[in-house]
Amino acid sequence: DTGVSQNPRHKITKRGQNVTFRCDPISEHNRLYWYRQTLGQGPEFLTYFQNEAQLEKSRLLSDRFSAERPKGSFSTLEIQRTEQGDSAMYLCASSPRTGSYNSPLHFGNGTRLTVT
Amino acid sequence: AQKVTQAQTEISVVEKEDVTLDCVYETRDTTYYLFWYKQPPSGELVFLIRRNSFDEQNEISGRYSWNFQKSTSSFNFTITASQVVDSAVYFCALSDYSGNTPLVFGKGTRLSVIA
Repeated sequence: DTGVSQNPRHKITKRGQNVTFRCDPISEHNRLYWYRQTLGQGPEFLTYFQNEAQLEKSRLLSDRFSAERPKGSFSTLEIQRTEQGDSAMYLCASSPRTGSYNSPLHFGNGTRLTVT
Repeated sequence: AQKVTQAQTEISVVEKEDVTLDCVYETRDTTYYLFWYKQPPSGELVFLIRRNSFDEQNEISGRYSWNFQKSTSSFNFTITASQVVDSAVYFCALSDYSGNTPLVFGKGTRLSVIA
């Protein structure tokens, strides 16, 4: 169990640019989640995958956001035409094969995005 | 709609003091799960406990204890004899029992333990 890995740890980009983040879940976990956390707030759900299927998306996930999980392994979260309001910590989490939303989640260290 | 309220934004204590972090929740479900997570400065949220709504027994794990009271919709977390390593942001969270809806987190309480 090497834990959930997220890259990069920090990303600074100019408004209007596209950014992509990567998450590598714990290898035997089939559920993968993306959350967003802004300063002084708790994590907010964005989307989740079971294997390669994206099963739910939050209303927070605008059309500029897209997530993929090819082959049910790592996942990428892409934000197009970034806006200053996208500045946040993006957290990835995974849970085991038998997991559901009420299973304990294993979180990565997050990717902190700053849009200037 | 589900909601979690952590009214204490920041708490500061001196090492070895006991401290209680409050969590109040709202849900229309009769069965549900409650969680606590710890987020140290490194940023990674660490799972501490999950409690289902059927079980109102208090739980103790080392210096940590949890008091679940369904009558007041509260799930408070106490750290006994706090240590500097306990300094972190602590989040309370709620999910439905079936696990079909995402976790709802509170805004967190930042705990600073001063040596």
